[in-house]
Amino acid sequence: DTAVSQTPKYLVTQMGNDKSIKCEQNLGHDTMYWYKQDSKKFLKIMFSYNNKELIINETVPNRFSPKSPDKAHLNLHINSLELGDSAVYFCASSQTFGQGNTAFFGQGTRLTVV
Amino acid sequence: QKEVEQNSGPLSVPEGAIASLNCTYSDRGSQSFFWYRQYSGKSPELIMSIYSNGDKEDGRFTAQLNKASQYVSLLIRDSQPSDSATYLCAVRYSNYQLIWGAGTKLIIKP
Repeated sequence: DTAVSQTPKYLVTQMGNDKSIKCEQNLGHDTMYWYKQDSKKFLKIMFSYNNKELIINETVPNRFSPKSPDKAHLNLHINSLELGDSAVYFCASSQTFGQGNTAFFGQGTRLTVV
Repeated sequence: QKEVEQNSGPLSVPEGAIASLNCTYSDRGSQSFFWYRQYSGKSPELIMSIYSNGDKEDGRFTAQLNKASQYVSLLIRDSQPSDSATYLCAVRYSNYQLIWGAGTKLIIKP
């Protein structure tokens, strides 16, 4: 039974489109995260939610909008996709915000913008 | 600017030898340090954490921390081909945010 699941695993889309990535965790964790990993493997946090409330919002274009309908879900919607958005996006969760190091990661969504 | 730096590699080590991975960080106030392993096409997984100066051993893995030098390392003894992966160093700052290095690609040659 997958702990952190995100869909889709692969996403290929054209510039200018709007797309969403969904994430769900069944661990009962309070905190969820979105990370972006670029082609050089650099992992950078984008957003963090604790009990449905936004607590970290890094310098991310406002074309990216996270939504947390409940603490088990954190979806990522991206408007007007650009070539530079191509990357692997990881969802993760941890018991609490202070335990971000022990986050469980989803399998990643490889987004390719053409 | 909080930074975590790693040599991107690849670091090539013969099977059975010791692999040594290094990481430096910029913020002296950092308290928690982590090593993650990421296989190609997979998600990161936590393998070691260290909080105080010195060595911490877990099986074939040893994490070393030197806060004065702002340096943390990971040693893998008796390297196996299955250890071939990218190793990510992560540092937790006072606001609990994790800052990640870009990772070192390790190749264990049979």
